[in-house]
Amino acid sequence: QLQLQESGPGLVKPSETLSLTCTVSGGSISSSSYYWGWIRQPPGKGLEWIGSIYYSGSTYYNPSLKSRVTISVDTSKNQFSLKLSSVTAADTAVYYCATPAVAGDAFDIWGQGTMVTVSS
Amino acid sequence: EIVMTQSPATLSVSPGERATLSCRASQSVSSNLAWYQQKPGQAPRLLIYGASTRATGIPARFSGSGSGTEFTLTISSLQSEDFAVYYCQQYNNWYTFGQGTKLEIK
Repeated sequence: QLQLQESGPGLVKPSETLSLTCTVSGGSISSSSYYWGWIRQPPGKGLEWIGSIYYSGSTYYNPSLKSRVTISVDTSKNQFSLKLSSVTAADTAVYYCATPAVAGDAFDIWGQGTMVTVSS
Repeated sequence: EIVMTQSPATLSVSPGERATLSCRASQSVSSNLAWYQQKPGQAPRLLIYGASTRATGIPARFSGSGSGTEFTLTISSLQSEDFAVYYCQQYNNWYTFGQGTKLEIK
């Protein structure tokens, strides 16, 4: 069964780059059956899609974040990663990795989420 | 960007009663609509996709309907574990979520 687990620093300074990794278990990240996404949720607020990456390496980003986001895949480690540059307090959120495994394009497999705080 | 609007923001219902949650898209998303349930401290859980297909393991008391721009999630007989926040999401043009409906105990 496919499982996802986020990891990375819980505290990032303003203007620096947030870096998170999602480790995939129970399946191959390079499988054409899957693609991978990042979603975030500021404290007490709703969900925001950040971007997605396909097995081919093609990436698609939320236009509101596109200039600051990079998503990449490391097939040797069965991981995919998120980098968000020039962070501010508005980037403080729980960050989730997720994938639409069997439910069309809806995200049916989620990691547990990791809280990232932007503060000096 | 497709804007998803959920109503009401908060819904108070007694256990055993029916709950009806609404979601409207700013333009047609066909049937590319999902519903999620989120409890405090947990990741969202997919309930419905394709506007009306229950995800694996989701009880039959959850049902979804609609197409185009108007969608509804119905919970036929509320159980204690159903009180949570519910989000709709369109995936017709990338992904956008509604702002959520909090379902609380009356």
